[in-house]
Amino acid sequence: GQNIDQPTEMTATEGAIVQINCTYQTSGFNGLFWYQQHAGEAPTFLSYNVLDGLEEKGRFSSFLSRSKGYSYLLLKELQMKDSASYLCAVSHNAGNMLTFGGGTRLMVKP
Amino acid sequence: DAGVTQSPTHLIKTRGQQVTLRCSPKSGHDTVSWYQQALGQGPQFIFQYYEEEERQRGNFPDRFSGHQFPNYSSELNVNALWLGDSALYLCASSRTGDPNTGELFFGEGSRLTVL
Repeated sequence: GQNIDQPTEMTATEGAIVQINCTYQTSGFNGLFWYQQHAGEAPTFLSYNVLDGLEEKGRFSSFLSRSKGYSYLLLKELQMKDSASYLCAVSHNAGNMLTFGGGTRLMVKP
Repeated sequence: DAGVTQSPTHLIKTRGQQVTLRCSPKSGHDTVSWYQQALGQGPQFIFQYYEEEERQRGNFPDRFSGHQFPNYSSELNVNALWLGDSALYLCASSRTGDPNTGELFFGEGSRLTVL
């Protein structure tokens, strides 16, 4: 089976840096993904890691360690608009089927 | 370029009824996946359609069924609705064979309330 754990809620201050962790247990790992979902909206793709290491994309970075079953999403220079849920998801086959964690609701305060 | 479109956006049903939700994938995409997202939780995979056939299925009962049409659009049908089916139903499209297989494009969802 698949098991993905991430914190339920986090709070951070505008301009700061926040790290959202995700641990997973899965068979047939084929990549780890992060999605952002604002309240009442569709999830939007943020990042994709299939090899160990750090992937940087603007203010957002994502890290993966396959041996540890661990990933994190790093958000720098936080803005109020970054207040959203962040979903960690794992693909365990090549067919675009994703298993999502419960999501981390991030609140950015002034 | 139209993204993923879903209809209806909101609907209310009563227990025991049946519902059909519709999805048109992003232009150029041939694969449609359906997810159920309960309030405050992550999306749960229902099934995926490719070449008009169900290719993968999650842990959902047979009351959940689907269809894909030759133009790649898709329907999700749920029979014998019960209260626990109340959720946001998300359609996600992708293109089979894309190297970045995780980049699903989601629609805005259909919010189903069962009374």
